[in-house]
Amino acid sequence: EIVMTQSPATLSVSPGERATLSCRTSQNVNNNLAWYQQKPGQAPRLLIYDASTRATGVPVRFSGSGSGTEFTLTISSLQSEDFAIYYCQQYNNWPWWPFGQGTKVDLK
Amino acid sequence: EVQILESGGDLVQPGGSLRLSCTVSGVALTTYGMSWVRQAPGKGLEWVSIISAGGSRTYYADSVKGRFTISRDNSKSTVLLQMNSLRGEDTAVYFCAKVNDRWSGYFDHWGQGMLVIVSS
Repeated sequence: EIVMTQSPATLSVSPGERATLSCRTSQNVNNNLAWYQQKPGQAPRLLIYDASTRATGVPVRFSGSGSGTEFTLTISSLQSEDFAIYYCQQYNNWPWWPFGQGTKVDLK
Repeated sequence: EVQILESGGDLVQPGGSLRLSCTVSGVALTTYGMSWVRQAPGKGLEWVSIISAGGSRTYYADSVKGRFTISRDNSKSTVLLQMNSLRGEDTAVYFCAKVNDRWSGYFDHWGQGMLVIVSS
């Protein structure tokens, strides 16, 4: 079974600042990693797939990088609507599709 | 536009059963896998189950294996989750999600979720 570890648990950022979120997997997942954004009371929304490809309609300030076991989601200039919880998920090694525990991005 | 509509969430007693349903529109469901994901109150996302496009492959998280059954009726664009022997720890919002590929991949569209409460 693959373990997903996200850090930090909480990231306090001011609007306009850069936010860097980390996701580590216990096994090699190649580039088969996705990032999701979830706001309170809402369903998750796909942001990034294949580690670095933005989903349809996702602003360019969101970027993903990494491969193997180390991945990063970067928000280049945080906007007010970006305060949310972000989850990573691997889809390389089945039969598990685990999520990380999430990183909450909140207002500094 | 892909739309996913879930139904069936309810309050059920421990040991009871419940069937969740998910109807998908705006896409040919026969081409895509489908999954269920849950979120306990105040907690993170937990993958629950997945079913391939044709329904021949199904997988479950260890926490629900032997108690939950996923199935699909492509003629009705519907995915079901039969939940038996429910426990308090099954209390969660359950999301239905479409997989981007025939069976394994990322989850590109999600329903709004429905609450299942297991309590006496």
